[in-house]
Amino acid sequence: AQKVTQTQTSISVVEKTTVTMDCVYETRDSSYFLFWYKQTASGEIVFLIRQDSYKKENATVGHYSLNFQKPKSSIGLIITATQIEDSAVYFCAMREGGNYNQGKLIFGQGTKLSIKP
Amino acid sequence: GGIITQTPKFLIGQEGQKLTLKCQQNFNHDTMYWYRQDSGKGLRLIYYSITENDLQKGDLSEGYDASREKKSSFSLTVTSAQKNEMAVFLCASSLRQGKNTEVFFGKGTRLTVV
Repeated sequence: AQKVTQTQTSISVVEKTTVTMDCVYETRDSSYFLFWYKQTASGEIVFLIRQDSYKKENATVGHYSLNFQKPKSSIGLIITATQIEDSAVYFCAMREGGNYNQGKLIFGQGTKLSIKP
Repeated sequence: GGIITQTPKFLIGQEGQKLTLKCQQNFNHDTMYWYRQDSGKGLRLIYYSITENDLQKGDLSEGYDASREKKSSFSLTVTSAQKNEMAVFLCASSLRQGKNTEVFFGKGTRLTVV
């Protein structure tokens, strides 16, 4: 069965430091796609970064990067040089690549990140 | 660019009432989704649709119906609203081909049942 788990309910760090948020997933598919999304205080949900299961290189976009550990079914999100506006809830998500599950995208429970000045 | 429009933004219903939420997208996306988010919780998939007239159940489909009569629209019906139910319903869409494409979200419909 397809499942995404984020065990960190909330994290608080000081501005300009680096933070890592954890996510583990379960899938029977050999091909899948992993995503991180951010939900701001207004409720808006925006896409941040993606990792394709067949790629060994960790994805990086701006000050977001991923720590993809396939043998551990783990996809951590790393935010470097954090800013106050990074305060939000972060969701990990997975879409399996098989034809029987076309487009189904499921989410983890979310991690609330607070950045302190 | 495009936009996903959800109506209404706020919905107050009575226990046992049948309630319908609507979603329109102008991205020309194939796949559309309905998620439920309870306060402080994650997003749970109710229904999704990979093309016009298609429906696929998510993990939370019981108590809901959905309809995809046009490519651009996807509606969700709460078949019998539960007293004291409060949640935000989020509509989303994405391209179907290239399953690694990102999903875009609407701003949500906030449901309160009295």
